[in-house]
Amino acid sequence: GQNIDQPTEMTATEGAIVQINCTYQTSGFNGLFWYQQHAGEAPTFLSYNVLDGLEEKGRFSSFLSRSKGYSYLLLKELQMKDSASYLCAVLDSNYQLIWGAGTKLIIKP
Amino acid sequence: EAEVAQSPRYKITEKSQAVAFWCDPISGHATLYWYRQILGQGPELLVQFQDESVVDDSQLPKDRFSAERLKGVDSTLKIQPAELGDSAMYLCASSSGTGEADTQYFGPGTRLTVL
Repeated sequence: GQNIDQPTEMTATEGAIVQINCTYQTSGFNGLFWYQQHAGEAPTFLSYNVLDGLEEKGRFSSFLSRSKGYSYLLLKELQMKDSASYLCAVLDSNYQLIWGAGTKLIIKP
Repeated sequence: EAEVAQSPRYKITEKSQAVAFWCDPISGHATLYWYRQILGQGPELLVQFQDESVVDDSQLPKDRFSAERLKGVDSTLKIQPAELGDSAMYLCASSSGTGEADTQYFGPGTRLTVL
């Protein structure tokens, strides 16, 4: 079966750095997406990785290792507005998005 | 910036009633998706359209759910009759359809509560 694992919840301090991990087992791989979702709102696109390595975009970076079936989202200089759920999703061999359950990130002052 | 539009934002209905949700994708986007999301879970794909054609509706409960995109632009998702277990967020997303790894952009969603 296809499976994506993320921690259910994480807590971090304002101004700090946090890393949200995602491991996946899917039938094929055609890229990995990270989305941010604030409570009661729709997911918004953060990043897309299809090659190994680190992609940096402002305070957010996303890393991919295809051989390990592993990705992480790195958030720097955390702000209170970063409190949200972060969803990892993998495009499988049929180009269907397989979604993780999301990681709820709580930022404390 | 172009956005996906959805209405209504909130819907409260009683079980056995019919409900309908509307979505208008980003202009020019050929691919449209309807998802259902239960609190604490990732989105679950219900149906995917490429222009006016259904590409995937394998997870759509066809005994009560129907979806259409008659002119290949906006779309309607209907539930009849609604059941208590249908309470969830219904999300619409669109992508350009020009590549297989297109980014999906989501609308604000419709929060459905079935009493």
